[in-house]
Amino acid sequence: AQTVTQSQPEMSVQEAETVTLSCTYDTSESDYYLFWYKQPPSRQMILVIRQEAYKQQNATENRFSVNFQKAAKSFSLKISDSQLGDAAMYFCAIFEGGSQGNLIFGKGTKLSVKP
Amino acid sequence: EPEVTQTPSHQVTQMGQEVILRCVPISNHLYFYWYRQILGQKVEFLVSFYNNEISEKSEIFDDQFSVERPDGSNFTLKIRSTKLEDSAMYFCASREDRTTDTQYFGPGTRLTVL
Repeated sequence: AQTVTQSQPEMSVQEAETVTLSCTYDTSESDYYLFWYKQPPSRQMILVIRQEAYKQQNATENRFSVNFQKAAKSFSLKISDSQLGDAAMYFCAIFEGGSQGNLIFGKGTKLSVKP
Repeated sequence: EPEVTQTPSHQVTQMGQEVILRCVPISNHLYFYWYRQILGQKVEFLVSFYNNEISEKSEIFDDQFSVERPDGSNFTLKIRSTKLEDSAMYFCASREDRTTDTQYFGPGTRLTVL
């Protein structure tokens, strides 16, 4: 069974600095996809970044990048130049490719950004 | 940009009452999902739907839950007899087709059972 573990319930970062959120996962599949979703106080789920497991290159989206370590089953999110609007819950999730199945989420990390 | 929409944004109901949560997935998407998030907890999968039938469901999705695609655009989640523990945020999501992997979420419906 797939599992996703986020070991940091809360993190804090100073505005303009860099923060890394950790995520580890477990799956028996070779074809899967990893995601980070952001949930601001409005509670909407917003896709931040995705990574295809068969790609070695780490995904990047503007200030957001991942460090994907497939052998270690690790998928951390780095936020550079943190902004006040980055304050939110961040959820890591896994999806097995090709299936009709669902996303499995971690418990989330609450990120605070200090001005 | 196309987006998933959900109505209502907030629903308050009495225990034992039936509720229907509505979703309009992105128009060319074929896979639909319902997830639940109890306050302060992680997002949990309820059910997936494809080709007018349930393709997968979790242990949470018991007989009090049902889903339906009554027309070409709406996707509904019905809870027949609500319980206090059904109070949660309910998210609808859609995915384009079998070759894609990204699910796009709606803004959620906050269900409060009194």
